[in-house]
Amino acid sequence: TQLLEQSPQFLSIQEGENLTVYCNSSSVFSSLQWYRQEPGEGPVLLVTVVTGGEVKKLKRLTFQFGDARKDSSLHITAAQPGDTGLYLCAGENTGNQFYFGTGTSLTVIP
Amino acid sequence: KAGVTQTPRYLIKTRGQQVTLSCSPISGHRSVSWYQQTPGQGLQFLFEYFSETQRNKGNFPGRFSGRQFSNSRSEMNVSTLELGDSALYLCASSLDAGAGTEAFFGQGTRLTVV
Repeated sequence: TQLLEQSPQFLSIQEGENLTVYCNSSSVFSSLQWYRQEPGEGPVLLVTVVTGGEVKKLKRLTFQFGDARKDSSLHITAAQPGDTGLYLCAGENTGNQFYFGTGTSLTVIP
Repeated sequence: KAGVTQTPRYLIKTRGQQVTLSCSPISGHRSVSWYQQTPGQGLQFLFEYFSETQRNKGNFPGRFSGRQFSNSRSEMNVSTLELGDSALYLCASSLDAGAGTEAFFGQGTRLTVV
């Protein structure tokens, strides 16, 4: 059962453009993480959001946790080729179990 | 400090064989989770161990098993390998349960079953 749906599944944009990736669920999570994964490597943690409505910024990346803690978004400003990768959201339930989203594959063209 | 270490990085096995993968968590982390990643299914949760006990289990057949040692290192075993078991197997370590627990992943073991 896939609890987290990400959209879009694939995204190809030009360098300098802005983009938003969405992570949606009908379940409530105690926290939500965003990861970036490059081919042949494990996912690397970008951010953790815990409080409903929370917004965190990491340089050009802005993460938001929905008020009801069921959804999240990742916004990238002025995308760079180094942002290319697979972006994964993961919701944590109260039992320390993580449910991963379907993933968004981002390609930033120089 | 050292990150999560998985060995081996790459493995080729024949159908019907069994395989054991190893994961050394970040020092001090007591929870280790295992995931299977395939292009079609994404990241699927296998199981989670905490203090040598399996605490959570995903929807995988009994051919997939694991264990955790007193030093928190974990192994995952797959018996009677099938072609469909070809995947990137990832382990993640974290301190403990609780809101905001952060999971850190290893580089994974790429298993190919031929």
